[in-house]
Amino acid sequence: QKEVEQNSGPLSVPEGAIASLNCTYSDRVSQSFFWYRQYSGKSPELIMSIYSNGDKEDGRFTAQLNKASQYVSLLIRDSQPSDSATYLCAANTGGFKTIFGAGTRLFVKA
Amino acid sequence: GAVVSQHPSRVICKSGTSVKIECRSLDFQATTMFWYRQFPKKSLMLMATSNEGSKATYEQGVEKDKFLINHASLTLSTLTVTSAHPEDSSFYICSAPMSGTGDSPLHFGNGTRLTVT
Repeated sequence: QKEVEQNSGPLSVPEGAIASLNCTYSDRVSQSFFWYRQYSGKSPELIMSIYSNGDKEDGRFTAQLNKASQYVSLLIRDSQPSDSATYLCAANTGGFKTIFGAGTRLFVKA
Repeated sequence: GAVVSQHPSRVICKSGTSVKIECRSLDFQATTMFWYRQFPKKSLMLMATSNEGSKATYEQGVEKDKFLINHASLTLSTLTVTSAHPEDSSFYICSAPMSGTGDSPLHFGNGTRLTVT
């Protein structure tokens, strides 16, 4: 069964620190990976997409992908209280179909 | 602005009744949409893939006769929860691919919080 695994947290970091979120996936067929942010009671919103091994940076966010290790991570630099949310790791399993991890709750303390 | 519109945002219904949730793609056509369900503090679970002009594809364990999906046009998919029971109370979210490529991320609707009393 195809799965995406995440540590549920909560992960607590002080404001201004780097938050590191990790994810592993079981399906070697997956080639596309995503990080979504979900605030309580809201629907997910896309933070990053990553398709190739290595790092991809977008502002304060850096996604890292290692297909050999089946590992995806998200780094948030200069964390802000507004970054406090649940971060969902997701993998595309083919034909637009996307499966999600359980999410990691992040708290950024002011 | 929102590119996927979902209505209603909240609905409370009595046990045994049916509830219809609409999902519309705004300013783009979506031949495929996805319906997810999320229980409190749990992840999104894919329920079904809605295919324009054809039958929906349901995930294992999802009752197709209970969760009726209709994708009659390129901009509208509906999910009807039939004979709802309290255990169907959940957050239902529709989504559509951001682009036409198979590895596209998803636009999500704002979700529908269903409470069955």
